[in-house]
Amino acid sequence: KQEVTQIPAALSVPEGENLVLNCSFTDSAIYNLQWFRQDPGKGLTSLLLIQSSQREQTSGRLNASLDKSSGRSTLYIAASQPGDSATYLCAVRQETSGSRLTFGEGTQLTVNP
Amino acid sequence: NAGVMQNPRHLVRRRGQEARLRCSPMKGHSHVYWYRQLPEEGLKFMVYLQKENIIDESGMPKERFSAEFPKEGPSILRIQQVVRGDSAAYFCASRPSANNEKLFFGSGTQLSVL
Repeated sequence: KQEVTQIPAALSVPEGENLVLNCSFTDSAIYNLQWFRQDPGKGLTSLLLIQSSQREQTSGRLNASLDKSSGRSTLYIAASQPGDSATYLCAVRQETSGSRLTFGEGTQLTVNP
Repeated sequence: NAGVMQNPRHLVRRRGQEARLRCSPMKGHSHVYWYRQLPEEGLKFMVYLQKENIIDESGMPKERFSAEFPKEGPSILRIQQVVRGDSAAYFCASRPSANNEKLFFGSGTQLSVL
C-alpha cells in the first residue's frame, strides 16, 4: 500500500527566502507525481505534474524534482512571497492501480511580510 | 468556462439523515473523482466515475455511500443514515479525458453531522 509523507508539516519563513518542501513515497512504482496548493476554504490547484520518466518540472518560481528510485520529490519555491502562504500537497498516481491519487497530509506554509 | 462547481458549500445533517452532495464538472470534462478530507488527515480517494459508469469505487465505504454520474446533470455523492464520523470536507475533481492528467478541483462541501 502506497504511503506518502510530507515534511515538514508546517513551515514559517520571512518573505524573500528560498525554501524546499519534501515529499516521500514508499512504493516507487509510480506513474506520475503532482504538487497541489490548497488555500483555506477552497479546492486544490494543480501546480506541477512530473511524469515518472521525468526528473523535474518548472513553472515560474516553482521547481519540482523527482527521484523515483529513492521515492522522493522536492518542491522548491524561490523568493517566497506572502501570497505563497497555503498548504502544499504532494500526490502520486500508481502504475497499476488506475488513475486515483494518494495524497500526503501536506505542508502548511506561512510566508511573513 | 466555469470551474468545477460543488454544492452546497456547507451541509448540516443530524445523525440518521441523508446527505446529497453535488458536483458539476468543468464543461467538456467526462471524468469525475470524489475525495474526502477528514479532520487532521490528508485527502483520501473515494470513487472515480465517467458518464453513467463507475470506474473505480475501491475507496468507498461498503455501506451507506453511493455515487453516480448520469448522462445529464451533476455527479451525486449520496450518504445514507449519516454518522458523526462522516463529518468531513468532500472534494470533487474533474478532467477532460483519460489522456489528460491535470485535475481541476471544486471548492468542496463541508459536511457536519450533529
